[in-house]
Amino acid sequence: ILNVEQSPQSLHVQEGDSTNFTCSFPSSNFYALHWYRWETAKSPEALFVMTLNGDEKKKGRISATLNTKEGYSYLYIKGSQPEDSATYLCAFSGDSSYKLIFGSGTRLLVRP
Amino acid sequence: NAGVTQTPKFQVLKTGQSMTLQCAQDMNHEYMSWYRQDPGMGLRLIHYSVGAGITDQGEVPNGYNVSRSTTEDFPLRLLSAAPSQTSVYFCASSRPGLGGRPSYEQYFGPGTRLTVT
Repeated sequence: ILNVEQSPQSLHVQEGDSTNFTCSFPSSNFYALHWYRWETAKSPEALFVMTLNGDEKKKGRISATLNTKEGYSYLYIKGSQPEDSATYLCAFSGDSSYKLIFGSGTRLLVRP
Repeated sequence: NAGVTQTPKFQVLKTGQSMTLQCAQDMNHEYMSWYRQDPGMGLRLIHYSVGAGITDQGEVPNGYNVSRSTTEDFPLRLLSAAPSQTSVYFCASSRPGLGGRPSYEQYFGPGTRLTVT
């Protein structure tokens, strides 16, 4: 059974704060790590897909890093805005499997 | 492009009824999958397919069947609905990575909200 853990479960921050979340995954047989943003009443939308140890990706104020040797990825949001309020999901794919397994997500609420 | 479409948007079933949730994509994606979303549990993989004629089980396959006769369509069948299958169901597709693995971003449909009474 593949275990993909995300922490924290939820986070409340003030507008302008920077924040980060963690995704932990099995460090053996790594193939790809995905991050998705999921707004209420919408469908998840892809932020990043990372495949190489040490990968860093950035999209506007959001960035992500990947450490496959120790099995974790960080998602950073710089200067949070209310429109960043959403659930952030990570998903792991192992080298020996075609399955994409999701964590339970981090729910972010940014207060104006 | 319509992207990933799902029908119906909402459905209420009685225990024991069967039905098919439809999913179609027009992006020529080989990789397609079905997830269910329950409170506090994120997305759980039900079944997936790496191409027409090829399907496999995910984390929670019991009570569901799939088939993939074309690249575009990936229907999910509930054989005998149970209250435990009350959930929101999402279909997703992506182009295949090396060997068909999900190494590219997934595109999700709008979801089907199913209630089983």
